[in-house]
Amino acid sequence: EDQVTQSPEALRLQEGESSSLNCSYTVSGLRGLFWYRQDPGKGPEFLFTLYSAGEEKEKERLKATLTKKESFLHITAPKPEDSATYLCAAYAGNNRKLIWGLGTSLAVNP
Amino acid sequence: NAGVMQNPRHLVRRRGQEARLRCSPVKGHSHVYWYRQLPEEGLKFMVYLQKENIIDESGMPKERFSAEFPKEGPSILRIQQVVRGDSAAYFCASSPQNGPGGIDEQYFGPGTRLTVT
Repeated sequence: EDQVTQSPEALRLQEGESSSLNCSYTVSGLRGLFWYRQDPGKGPEFLFTLYSAGEEKEKERLKATLTKKESFLHITAPKPEDSATYLCAAYAGNNRKLIWGLGTSLAVNP
Repeated sequence: NAGVMQNPRHLVRRRGQEARLRCSPVKGHSHVYWYRQLPEEGLKFMVYLQKENIIDESGMPKERFSAEFPKEGPSILRIQQVVRGDSAAYFCASSPQNGPGGIDEQYFGPGTRLTVT
């Protein structure tokens, strides 16, 4: 069964303390791995798409990487405004829908 | 340059009533997805539609739930005879579906929070 697992469930950082969020996937024929950010009471906001192992993408303090088994979202020198839930989702070859992880809730303290 | 729009943002219904949730996709997007989100369960796929066609409804309960995306107008998610268990946030997303291999990011609306009393 296709599955996406995110860890940790929750993470608390001090401002400036870099860390990484993990997204492990077991899907048949991965065609794309997506990262989203979701703030309370709002819809998910698209961040990155990764299509193949070895691919990396960056946006401000965020950098997403992809291997054949997992993806990482690296957060460098986070700020309080980076506090949110970060979701990853996999698009598998046999499905026309995204398979979502449960997210990592990130809190960055000033 | 409007994104995905959903209305209403909040909807309260009594048990047994009907709920109609509307979604206007990003201009030019012809693919619409509906999701349901509960706090401890994450996003759950419900249905994928293109204009006038249901492509995949495997995540939608067969009874009481229906969805449409007409040639003109918004996509509608309809829940008949609502029960308390239908209380959740319902999100709509749209995509243009012209990325590599037909894979595109989905852009989400702000959601409709349905409360059944």
